[in-house]
Amino acid sequence: AQSVTQLDSHVSVSEGTPVLLRCNYSSSYSPSLFWYVQHPNKGLQLLLKYTSAATLVKGINGFEAEFKKSETSFHLTKPSAHMSDAAEYFCVVTGGGRRALTFGSGTRLQVQP
Amino acid sequence: GAGVSQSPSNKVTEKGKDVELRCDPISGHTALYWYRQSLGQGLEFLIYFQGNSAPDKSGLPSDRFSAERTGGSVSTLTIQRTQQEDSAVYLCASSPSSGRGGRQETQYFGPGTRLLVL
Repeated sequence: AQSVTQLDSHVSVSEGTPVLLRCNYSSSYSPSLFWYVQHPNKGLQLLLKYTSAATLVKGINGFEAEFKKSETSFHLTKPSAHMSDAAEYFCVVTGGGRRALTFGSGTRLQVQP
Repeated sequence: GAGVSQSPSNKVTEKGKDVELRCDPISGHTALYWYRQSLGQGLEFLIYFQGNSAPDKSGLPSDRFSAERTGGSVSTLTIQRTQQEDSAVYLCASSPSSGRGGRQETQYFGPGTRLLVL
């Protein structure tokens, strides 16, 4: 069984300040973990993925995430928020031969000018 | 190249009617997935196709839902006797393969079909 918990449903930051979106996972197997972003009325876009290589994963648009097995976490960070980062972010887990993705409930990121 | 496309982009139907939603995966992708995004349930898996193998239907919520994939490419999701709780955005994704050897391939998502059942 696997699941993912996004600890914040909404996060608001000021432009130019750091972003932290928190995600904890549960998996009976070595997980593959992803972060997807969904802009309003747009499709889901992959930001980054972890598949048991380096624990610090760099993605697009300056985002990165660190896989911490001891904490079962995969938090998403960005040093400096941009207005265009305002969107909904989903933490996703899969693994153990299961190909379907299990999504978290999403975190809506607001970026204030 | 072209991404995953879905049609229609929006569909309004009356309770009790049948609807068909179409997905065109990225050319050459052998794996195809359907998901549903609704306010109450978030994003949830529905069904998965891989090549000529029997599909994984474990996420279908009821026997009113079915899907097929013709020629290993285009897929159609059919909802019979629609109910108001079927209102959601239906998302299709494809990936290059099923990720043999344990490697999870990236899934590429289409823009979705927004279904409203009145």
